[in-house]
Amino acid sequence: QLQLQESGPGLVKPSETLSLTCTVSGGSISSSNFYWGWIRQPPGKGLEWIGSIFSSGKNTYQNPSLKSRVTISLDKSKNHFSLNLTSLTAADTAVYYCARPLGQLIGDAFDVWGQGTMVTVSS
Amino acid sequence: QSALTQPASVSGSPGQSITISCTGTSSDVGGYDYVSWYQHHPGKAPKLIISEVRDRPSGVSNRFSGSKSGNTASLTISGLQAEDEADYYCSSYARTNTPVVFGGGTKLTVL
Repeated sequence: QLQLQESGPGLVKPSETLSLTCTVSGGSISSSNFYWGWIRQPPGKGLEWIGSIFSSGKNTYQNPSLKSRVTISLDKSKNHFSLNLTSLTAADTAVYYCARPLGQLIGDAFDVWGQGTMVTVSS
Repeated sequence: QSALTQPASVSGSPGQSITISCTGTSSDVGGYDYVSWYQHHPGKAPKLIISEVRDRPSGVSNRFSGSKSGNTASLTISGLQAEDEADYYCSSYARTNTPVVFGGGTKLTVL
């Protein structure tokens, strides 16, 4: 059974860079054609799609509202994909989820989710 | 402001049916059948309950159903149960520079 697990710091300082990793178990990140995704939820707010990366690691999409600060990468050898978010502010405080969609299209629904990791941006 | 518009809250009594709307545009909800719905209990991961407008993943109760008319998608929950109390989010593919969009979420209260 496919499982995803986010990992990273729970507390980061303003202006610093957040690095999160999503480790995939129960399946190979590169054996199937999926757009692995990152989604976040700020406290008291709704879900926000951050971006997605294709299984080949070559195609990525980012939310334009974050695009200049977001880098998503994929490491086949470690069976994980990562999110880097630069120039952090308090507005980036959120629960960050990684997820895998049902199918191969960027618009496919996410059917497998990690448990989420809370990230607080504060000095 | 979310790309898709949902009511902030809905409520219903056990056994009743409720419907949550999700309004977008012809560039997202209205143009494609890639509308999905998620149930989100606080502290847990979102759970996919409807994909591609009306498809229920294996294991999801048939009390949940989805539909779409024009630029508005809908989630109907019949036979409300206490365990249905949660936040519900719609999502859609969008032929814009933001290909994945979510609604602002709807809090369902079971009275």
